[in-house]
Amino acid sequence: AQSVAQPEDQVKVAEGNPLTVKCTYSVSGNPYLFWYVQYPNRGLQFLLKYITGDNLVKGSYGFEAEFNKSQTSFHLKKPSALVSDSALYFCAAPGGGNKLTFGTGTQLKVEL
Amino acid sequence: DGGITQSPKYLFRKEGQNVTLSCEQNLNHDAMYWYRQDPGQGLRLIYYSQIVNDFQKGDIAEGYSVSREKKESFPLTVTSAQKNPTAFYLCASSISGVGYGYTFGSGTRLTVV
Repeated sequence: AQSVAQPEDQVKVAEGNPLTVKCTYSVSGNPYLFWYVQYPNRGLQFLLKYITGDNLVKGSYGFEAEFNKSQTSFHLKKPSALVSDSALYFCAAPGGGNKLTFGTGTQLKVEL
Repeated sequence: DGGITQSPKYLFRKEGQNVTLSCEQNLNHDAMYWYRQDPGQGLRLIYYSQIVNDFQKGDIAEGYSVSREKKESFPLTVTSAQKNPTAFYLCASSISGVGYGYTFGSGTRLTVV
């Protein structure tokens, strides 16, 4: 079983600047890792996932995530933030019993 | 288009009443899940079902009940025993097995009045 942690409740960044939303994991075996985004009053939307292979995973809306085995991290990144990226972001991993376990979420605010 | 549909989007309930939230998927997914989300909070698992006619309690099952009579449907009943039912409820489905992500519905916001 795996677990994930999101150390930041909130991240603020100026529009046009790069953004990073952090996620760390604990794992037994090979990790499967996911990122989801939630806009207000909506369900979660899949952004990207890491199964195996390249450490840099590209996903929807220009987001990417870097898998770092030595640091047990899977940080979400985007080179240039948009105001419309403001949302709640969750990382997730299989937590046993074929269920995903989700992090506590990080509120991203992109300011003009 | 395949997807997962939750209805209604908004629901108001008087104290002491049971209410049922609908979740339907046409993705042919075996597994379905119910989560509760409070303002500014993460997701808490209520119930899940890996196969028809079988379901398991999640972390906060008290005051809730479910059924899984059909593969496509996984309704959640919020009973009067749930002391603080006002929340945003999310349904999800997935292919069974490690490594598959979830597809989420758009949610139902339940308010007790």
